[in-house]
Amino acid sequence: GAGVSQSPSNKVTEKGKDVELRCDPISGHTALYWYRQSLGQGLEFLIYFQGNSAPDKSGLPSDRFSAERTGGSVSTLTIQRTQQEDSAVYLCASSFTPGRTNYGYTFGSGTRLTVV
Amino acid sequence: AQSVTQPDIHITVSEGASLELRCNYSYGATPYLFWYVQSPGQGLQLLLKYFSGDTLVQGIKGFEAEFKRSQSSFNLRKPSVHWSDAAEYFCAVGAPSGGSNYKLTFGKGTLLTVNP
Repeated sequence: GAGVSQSPSNKVTEKGKDVELRCDPISGHTALYWYRQSLGQGLEFLIYFQGNSAPDKSGLPSDRFSAERTGGSVSTLTIQRTQQEDSAVYLCASSFTPGRTNYGYTFGSGTRLTVV
Repeated sequence: AQSVTQPDIHITVSEGASLELRCNYSYGATPYLFWYVQSPGQGLQLLLKYFSGDTLVQGIKGFEAEFKRSQSSFNLRKPSVHWSDAAEYFCAVGAPSGGSNYKLTFGKGTLLTVNP
């Protein structure tokens, strides 16, 4: 597609429920990233996928968070047993690799998650 | 580990006035440096980036930034602000090489309000 597509754009869920957030990157971009933007905070790195390599999961805040990327394209971020502190905007980005182009991020519009 | 500080949480300027948004970074060498803008409900859009060479970089929408190694700064400037520039601005750093040469570290952002 022309841009990075994220769905849903907004999600309200009850505490304790599981949620899935979807990201569809730009066609041909081999790198995919998830970031979290909490109120009053900058963006926090969550996870990075590059081709068939093992993902960098170093930013996932707890074992309730997981992500997968199927077929090198679409990615799903799953949050299990959601907590109120999980409320944030979850942003996905994709880029070409390698080298400087690693940083040629294109961001999606994000999913605003509210846990009530 | 790299870090980014944006000292100003909120800045208000009048339309037509000049603008400078501050960004200081911490990194062991010269990092890659970026400024992004985020309008309400939108993803992040890249304004400009610095990799090497000329320390004054030009970006989109009339913005420029200057890399000052001695001050570890990368301040964003615009000579005359337009009402449409009202948004949140994020400074970010990335490592040029090494195992994490894809991960951006963001500041917490500066919210810009433009008065008519």
